[in-house]
Amino acid sequence: DAKTTQPPSMDCAEGRAANLPCNHSTISGNEYVYWYRQIHSQGPQYIIHGLKNNETNEMASLIITEDRKSSTLILPHATLRDTAVYYCIVSPNWGANSKLTFGKGITLSVRP
Amino acid sequence: DAGVTQSPTHLIKTRGQQVTLRCSPKSGHDTVSWYQQALGQGPQFIFQYYEEEERQRGNFPDRFSGHQFPNYSSELNVNALLLGDSALYLCASSLNTRKQFFGPGTRLTVL
Repeated sequence: DAKTTQPPSMDCAEGRAANLPCNHSTISGNEYVYWYRQIHSQGPQYIIHGLKNNETNEMASLIITEDRKSSTLILPHATLRDTAVYYCIVSPNWGANSKLTFGKGITLSVRP
Repeated sequence: DAGVTQSPTHLIKTRGQQVTLRCSPKSGHDTVSWYQQALGQGPQFIFQYYEEEERQRGNFPDRFSGHQFPNYSSELNVNALLLGDSALYLCASSLNTRKQFFGPGTRLTVL
């Protein structure tokens, strides 16, 4: 699986958009970009995934650059409950080799 | 619809003992993966079960073994416990995709 690079931490004000960057310069053509988050002492939670087009769901938006070497997860209106560790993972979407390789993630702190 | 459930929530064992952790996948899911998460680290893949067979394994010793039952539930067994096995053990289920749903985990403490 391709490796991802994320800054260790960032913060944002409640109600503002949180833009979480991820670099994945060695991503291959069949690999998707996945985002999970882990709130303290809970299991990771799936947020969103995409291949090359931008994606949006009820939780977040995912913007993938045209060359697919980086992406940004956008939480449009961050709340205190969004404080968590966010993991960016790249992997093929399905199949026998479907493990998730987690890095250290980025710790997002939302301040009041 | 219940999500992924794990038992027990917490467990305390001593070095050298054996432990069994249990996982029930989300309804409709056929694949179960196990992860170990040490304090301050991201989850590390242990192994994955599909159709009652270990399909893929991470870099963990043979002391770690598992099983998947016909109803897709799964067990993780760890023999000869070491202090370093203390961690949060996470189970995730999926329908053969990377969109995995995680349980709350079992916190194992080895003394």
